[in-house]
Amino acid sequence: NAGVMQNPRHLVRRRGQEARLRCSPMKGHSHVYWYRQLPEEGLKFMVYLQKENIIDESGMPKERFSAEFPKEGPSILRIQQVVRGDSAAYFCASSPDAPSTEAFFGQGTRLTVV
Amino acid sequence: KQEVTQIPAALSVPEGENLVLNCSFTDSAIYNLQWFRQDPGKGLTSLLLIQSSQREQTSGRLNASLDKSSGRSTLYIAASQPGDSATYLCAVRPYSSASKIIFGSGTRLSIRP
Repeated sequence: NAGVMQNPRHLVRRRGQEARLRCSPMKGHSHVYWYRQLPEEGLKFMVYLQKENIIDESGMPKERFSAEFPKEGPSILRIQQVVRGDSAAYFCASSPDAPSTEAFFGQGTRLTVV
Repeated sequence: KQEVTQIPAALSVPEGENLVLNCSFTDSAIYNLQWFRQDPGKGLTSLLLIQSSQREQTSGRLNASLDKSSGRSTLYIAASQPGDSATYLCAVRPYSSASKIIFGSGTRLSIRP
């Protein structure tokens, strides 16, 4: 049973370009969470999704950021018109149905905006 | 608002010592508490999960305890090894917003050979 898979592992974008980060949850997991870790800082919640639904996006910046978890395929975190301040590690986690269950994290995507 | 604090921020000990990492949280209404390990430039590895009804969990040389009433958890590492060097993160899942896992800032552990 493969773990949470994120790709790409490293992504370099020029200012103004779009970044698309992908996350495939563990088999059987229908809950996906995205977190951001800025350099030398802790992990901050961004968004929580279930299949085809955004449940909680209270941690998402109001502009340029969006997330989806379609019925088929991976969850996507999209950042439009990237700026230097978007440079960070973006982690995806998944868990089974209940909120009391263990969350498993992927290896992250490290976004560098140049 | 749930806040998670980890003290100390950094710790350096010689190999072979037993050590304790501390985590405190402000709201005891939690589903569970999870300890993670993060190596530099890497992802998070789940070490131990303690449900709110449990007092402790053990895995190998690791033992985590949970005291919900006082809002504290400890991670005990026995017979430390250089390979234990990493950042250790404590995280809780609160009742108030189960969609969010709230993380502490971590303790950066260095084991000296």
